Amino acid sequence: AQSVTQPDIHITVSEGASLELRCNYSYGATPYLFWYVQSPGQGLQLLLKYFSGDTLVQGIKGFEAEFKRSQSSFNLRKPSVHWSDAAEYFCAVGRTIDSNYQLIWGAGTKLIIKP
Amino acid sequence: IAGITQAPTSQILAAGRRMTLRCTQDMRHNAMYWYRQDLGLGLRLIHYSNTAGTTGKGEVPDGYSVSRANTDDFPLTLASAVPSQTSVYFCASRKGLNTEAFFGQGTRLTVV
Repeated sequence: AQSVTQPDIHITVSEGASLELRCNYSYGATPYLFWYVQSPGQGLQLLLKYFSGDTLVQGIKGFEAEFKRSQSSFNLRKPSVHWSDAAEYFCAVGRTIDSNYQLIWGAGTKLIIKP
Repeated sequence: IAGITQAPTSQILAAGRRMTLRCTQDMRHNAMYWYRQDLGLGLRLIHYSNTAGTTGKGEVPDGYSVSRANTDDFPLTLASAVPSQTSVYFCASRKGLNTEAFFGQGTRLTVV
């Protein structure tokens, strides 16, 4: 079955340090890939998406992600985190089966920022 | 209204009671979804609707029902609430195939 794995339940990073959040998926074809962010008590907001083309995609708030087909990965990165980046981050894969489009979600990674 | 609106924001509900969570979108998106979010489990799909007049079951549909009488509204009904339905519920919509989903702010439901 198709799945999305975010191996880190939570990550702690110092403010100003770089960040990488991991996402791996299992899916036969090239999937549609997404990263969402959820601030406490809020809904999910799209950070970036990959459909095709350049495998390095830029998103909002200074985030980027790189699709690596050989590793079935779509890791999220940011060169320098800010305290406002503390939130939960979700990776998702979109796929269409029998005309039904579904988003498969990772369990999320909670980002904690140290001052 | 801008985007997706969910109501109520939060609710405490006695077990056995019936409850409808409301979701309205003004983006004229075809597809709509209901998810529940539980700690450590991420988002799990309850029901979906690809277009007005059609609905389908997701990963965890038991105990829930939906309807899609028009494009804008996608209510979720718990016929007889149980404590295991305590969760945060998110409604989402999507314009077309292989596009991103937009989310409401969520409804926090506690069944006691």
